[in-house]
Parts: sequence; structure tokens; C-alpha cells
Amino acid sequence: DVKVTQSSRYLVKRTGEKVFLECVQDMDHENMFWYRQDPGLGLRLIYFSYDVKMKEKGDIPEGYSVSREKKERFSLILESASTNQTSMYLCAGRGSYTGELFFGEGSRLTVL
Amino acid sequence: QKEVEQNSGPLSVPEGAIASLNCTYSDRGSQSFFWYRQYSGKSPELIMFIYSNGDKEDGRFTAQLNKASQYVSLLIRDSQPSDSATYLCAVNQGGKLIFGQGTELSVKP
Repeated sequence: DVKVTQSSRYLVKRTGEKVFLECVQDMDHENMFWYRQDPGLGLRLIYFSYDVKMKEKGDIPEGYSVSREKKERFSLILESASTNQTSMYLCAGRGSYTGELFFGEGSRLTVL
Repeated sequence: QKEVEQNSGPLSVPEGAIASLNCTYSDRGSQSFFWYRQYSGKSPELIMFIYSNGDKEDGRFTAQLNKASQYVSLLIRDSQPSDSATYLCAVNQGGKLIFGQGTELSVKP
């Protein structure tokens, strides 16, 4: 199984701050994903990456960017945090041929 | 129309009963389907995946897929209080997993 590690479980930031959410996977797989999860809205895809230096927008990319400098690391960046970005952020790596995602423990971000 | 739809619940069943969770999807080209379980405060964990029409069984869990009708379901036999969680249906669309909102299941002792 893919093991996915998110560096911060809980963060509190202020409006306008730049926020980095880090994610590392321990398998040599290319595919990584960032979702946010909100009550009543489910998991929504922000960005994904199929390879180093490659990124694709998901369904809600506005206000976010990503960085994939190494295969094992996929970072989500909030350039200027806003209160509507308060959420649970989930990073995932794609498993083997079966295509399922393996999730990290999540990063709960609060923007004040 | 949402791409992947689930009843949000909560669905309440007594211990030992069969819990039936349903999911419909809009993209006829979807090829693979996944069920995840998510306990409160935890991240989703994979229960089962299914690619082919019909049933797939794994212990107390059975996934059912009907591509013609565009629905996928999850049956949990002999439900236990420890099965109480939110169940997420996910559909692979063009390499991206699109999730439903999830169905909250409560199993009463």
C-alpha cells in the first residue's frame, strides 16, 4: 500500500498569510492529489499531478497552487489565505494498477 | 446534476441487519468504482473497488455494479456498531476520482 504523510495535522493562520501544506508518499508512483473536505460538500479535487513538474487543475483550483519538484512530494500552497479556505485538506497518492487512492491523515486548516 | 450522488442519510440500521448504500453517477464512460469508509475525524480508507458489472464480495461487504443503470451499491451484512461511519462512493473519471457526498451510517446495538 501507498503510505502518505501530511506534515501538519492542525494549522491556524491569519487572513492574508501564505500557507504551505506538505505531502509525501513513500511509493514510486507518479500520481498525487489534493482534496478539500467540507460538511455537506464532500471531497472536492483541488489539484493533481501525474509526474514531477506536472500539475493539473481539479474542480476548485481558485486560490490555490501546487508544487511537485520531486516525485515523492506534492505541496499545496495558499498564496493569500482567506477565511473561506478553512477546511480539512486531504492529500492522496494513487495505488497500483487498481487505481485506488490512499489518503494521508489530513490537515485541518483554520484561517482567522 | 451532480456527477456522483449519494443519499446523505443518516441511515440507521439495527445490529445484525443488512445495510444498503447506493450511489449513482452521470458519466457513462466511467470504468472503475470505489467505496471508502470514513470514521469521524479520520481520513477515508478503501473498502472495495469494482470494475465489472455484477457483484463482488469481500467478507461482510458486497459491491454491486450496474453500468447500464449507472449505479453502484454497497451491502454490509451482519452490521456491527463498529461499521458506523460515513461511506463515500468514488468514480474514476478520466483518471480523477470524483466523490459523492457520502452516506452516514449508524448501526444501533
